[in-house]
Amino acid sequence: GAVVSQHPSRVICKSGTSVKIECRSLDFQATTMFWYRQFPKQSLMLMATSNEGSKATYEQGVEKDKFLINHASLTLSTLTVTSAHPEDSSFYICSARGGRGFLYEQYFGPGTRLTVT
Amino acid sequence: GNSVTQMEGPVTLSEEAFLTINCTYTATGYPSLFWYVQYPGEGLQLLLKATKADDKGSNKGFEATYRKETTSFHLEKGSVQVSDSAVYFCALSASGDSSYKLIFGSGTRLLVRP
Repeated sequence: GAVVSQHPSRVICKSGTSVKIECRSLDFQATTMFWYRQFPKQSLMLMATSNEGSKATYEQGVEKDKFLINHASLTLSTLTVTSAHPEDSSFYICSARGGRGFLYEQYFGPGTRLTVT
Repeated sequence: GNSVTQMEGPVTLSEEAFLTINCTYTATGYPSLFWYVQYPGEGLQLLLKATKADDKGSNKGFEATYRKETTSFHLEKGSVQVSDSAVYFCALSASGDSSYKLIFGSGTRLLVRP
């Protein structure tokens, strides 16, 4: 149990285009999902926290108009990188927080590698 | 602010060697502390956790003790296996933080050779 999937696993896009990344909790409902960014050989940096049905809370320094987060259901959150540029190339990881039956832990997706050319 | 510092890798060990990965933290109050493991091509998995001082988390032969006096949560294993090769992340969740955000260390890559 407690599986989180991400789609796509890899994506290459041209500069100026937008890319959407999906995060799904497959066997549990998640009222809270998190989006992280990971640079090579560096830690995970929290970008935003999203709660189902409400606006995401962004960390300081993260552009909310560039990184659009939608958490429309208890099993799906999406991150859209708008007008992507090469500096947005990174590894994006989501996590979903389980309820009582899942010990309220965060469960992580396998990540999405974004390359902007 | 809250932060986590862990030793840089990579750490290369022979099979059956003793493992220690150091982790120290800075936080107010009494954070919860975690170790996550990331195997190649997979998402992070919770390895163990401790929620109060002197608690010992353990799982799959790994152990870590929450040391308030030294603000540390070092990861240890008595005898590593090749299958333990992965990246290990120390993390904290601040006490009283209802958002349950995790703050991660930089990760330590472990390579175990046969």
